[in-house]
Amino acid sequence: DSGVTQTPKHLITATGQRVTLRCSPRSGDLSVYWYQQSLDQGLQFLIQYYNGEERAKGNILERFSAQQFPDLHSELNLSSLELGDSALYFCASSVEQGEIYYGYTFGSGTRLTVV
Amino acid sequence: GESVGLHLPTLSVQEGDNSIINCAYSNSASDYFIWYKQESGKGPQFIIDIRSNMDKRQGQRVTVLLNKTVKHLSLQIAATQPGDSAVYFCAEPPNFGNEKLTFGTGTRLTIIP
Repeated sequence: DSGVTQTPKHLITATGQRVTLRCSPRSGDLSVYWYQQSLDQGLQFLIQYYNGEERAKGNILERFSAQQFPDLHSELNLSSLELGDSALYFCASSVEQGEIYYGYTFGSGTRLTVV
Repeated sequence: GESVGLHLPTLSVQEGDNSIINCAYSNSASDYFIWYKQESGKGPQFIIDIRSNMDKRQGQRVTVLLNKTVKHLSLQIAATQPGDSAVYFCAEPPNFGNEKLTFGTGTRLTIIP
């Protein structure tokens, strides 16, 4: 158990639908990152939140959005789903101390299948 | 643009042999790198890191080498075991003003029994 909790583990939904993926970061971590991993692909950065505020944005589609709540858990909302959105979605968290950054701790991911 | 990439997508090694996974980076200002291991169906897991003031760092059965001259790093796994079969990523952590970890596409290491 890495300390980063993602739910649900698996999700099957139809095209056009909307889903919400949830992530609870490791205790004490203020930053949450969302990554998408398609089949046999690398990890594509989507978005980062730090202490409730959006910090950085990657190649995140306009149909996707995220937020980080006061208790630091984060949700990734995917809407108007398409077949190509089928992927593993990972959440990671990190401790940031000044300008020294440490490695991320990843959750076990949510496997989204759009049918 | 800045990127972190890997030389080979797949690598097969006989159990007990040593393996070397390579990674190239383009940002000469990069000062910190991390290797992650991702087993099938799981999230990436931290293996080892190295800072730019070092050329080599050793862990348990793993060694990372950094060559800043040619912007190249490698991960060496000694005496490979079946549990080493996974995809390995090198990653460049966020620096100030670049708030995201950039991953290469990964090398799939298969250990042959």
